[in-house]
Order: sequence, then structure tokens, then C-alpha cells
Amino acid sequence: QSVLTQPPSTSGAPGQRVTVSCSGSSSNIGSNSVNWYQHLPGTAPKLLIYINDQRPSGVPDRFSGAKSGTSASLAISGLQSEDEADYYCATWDDSLNGAVFGGGTKLTVL
Amino acid sequence: QVQLQESGPGLVKPSQTLSLTCTVSGDSVSSGGYYWNWIRQPAGKGLEWIGRLYASENGNYIPNYNPALKSRVTISRDRSNNQFSLHLSSVTATDTAVYYCARGGQFGEWTRYDFWGPGLLVTISS
Repeated sequence: QSVLTQPPSTSGAPGQRVTVSCSGSSSNIGSNSVNWYQHLPGTAPKLLIYINDQRPSGVPDRFSGAKSGTSASLAISGLQSEDEADYYCATWDDSLNGAVFGGGTKLTVL
Repeated sequence: QVQLQESGPGLVKPSQTLSLTCTVSGDSVSSGGYYWNWIRQPAGKGLEWIGRLYASENGNYIPNYNPALKSRVTISRDRSNNQFSLHLSSVTATDTAVYYCARGGQFGEWTRYDFWGPGLLVTISS
């Protein structure tokens, strides 16, 4: 049972827009910034969004992040086949004094 | 460019201690600029943070561990080789996972892991 709650899966057709949610509490998302990772099988996770809504250089602007209260979300527009991956949210939990990840959301591009 | 590389045995017997090393290039684990983390992913499951280390040249040395693993985990630094290590004691089959080392940010960006090692599969089996 992850501290941060994500839907196990989502899907969309090429070109569509999908959103992945990440729900937490006042001790984690409510108090700290959220980061998002894209994870392809057999590779290391890749930083996709940092400090809630910032994109590292090289990440397409099709990816965007938002945070409100104790929840955060990742939006992917103009879906492409290469976006098929697992997506994880992560933040710090002040009560646990440690990093916490969501359980991950598997994105399928139909 | 910062690069990280995990190394260590791919097979560990139950009840023994799992020991992995992360070799860093392009940055210094002792500079105090970043936190150095271990993260794992059991097969078919999500990412789990194991712990991190902050070390600076003036002697500050601050480890943090996942409370669920704290009694079994030690993360240490080898300054001369620019490495940091993970030691996980009394392992069981549930510790079988791909283990990653990653660089994390400072205050306000602690879970911003911008550079990762490729990962190392460690299997716990007799």
C-alpha cells in the first residue's frame, strides 16, 4: 500500500490527452513539491516533471504537471506510442521523514 | 555529465547482507551539493525509496532511511573512490529487486532525482 495513491492504469489513443492523478495528505503533497517519473521496462526512471510543474530540458511540452492541496496530476497531450510506460509521482513525507512514491500508473497507448 | 553505476553481487543468500556500491562520475558525493539515494523496484511492483546520504567536505554526514527498512539499512560513503554504498542485512526473498542509485536535490527538491544508475537486479535465493 503506497502512501501516494495513483490509478493502476490508464489509456488513450494516439493524439489524445490523458491525465494521471496522485493523491496524498497534508504531510506529503500538502507540504512538499511533487516530481514525476517516466519508467520504461529495463531502463532507469526518467525525471519528467519537478517542483510540481517544471520540465527538465529535453522533456517535450506535451507533458505538464499541476498540484493543488494534497493532490497532484500529470497530463500528457498529443499521445504518442513512445509514451507507453509506467508513471510515478514522488514527494517527501514530513511525518515519515522520508521519500514516498505513488504505486505507479501504467499508460497504454491504444 | 553526471553518471552513476551500481555494482555488486546479483545473487545473495537469505539471512545474509546485501552490499552494493554506486560509483559516481561528474560530481562529488562529498561536495555537499546533493543527496545520494538508493531506490529499488521489486518485480511487478512500484518504486521504493531505501534511503539517502548527505556528505560535505566540512564533515557533515547525514543519512536518512526508510522507516520500514531502517533497522536493516546502512548507507555509507567512500570519499577516496567517490562512491557510496548500501548495506541491507538479514535479507529475505522480498528484498529481491532491481536496485538503483540516484542523485537527489537539496531542500525543497529532495525527491528530484535527476541522474540515475542503470539499475542492478539482485536476487535473494539459496
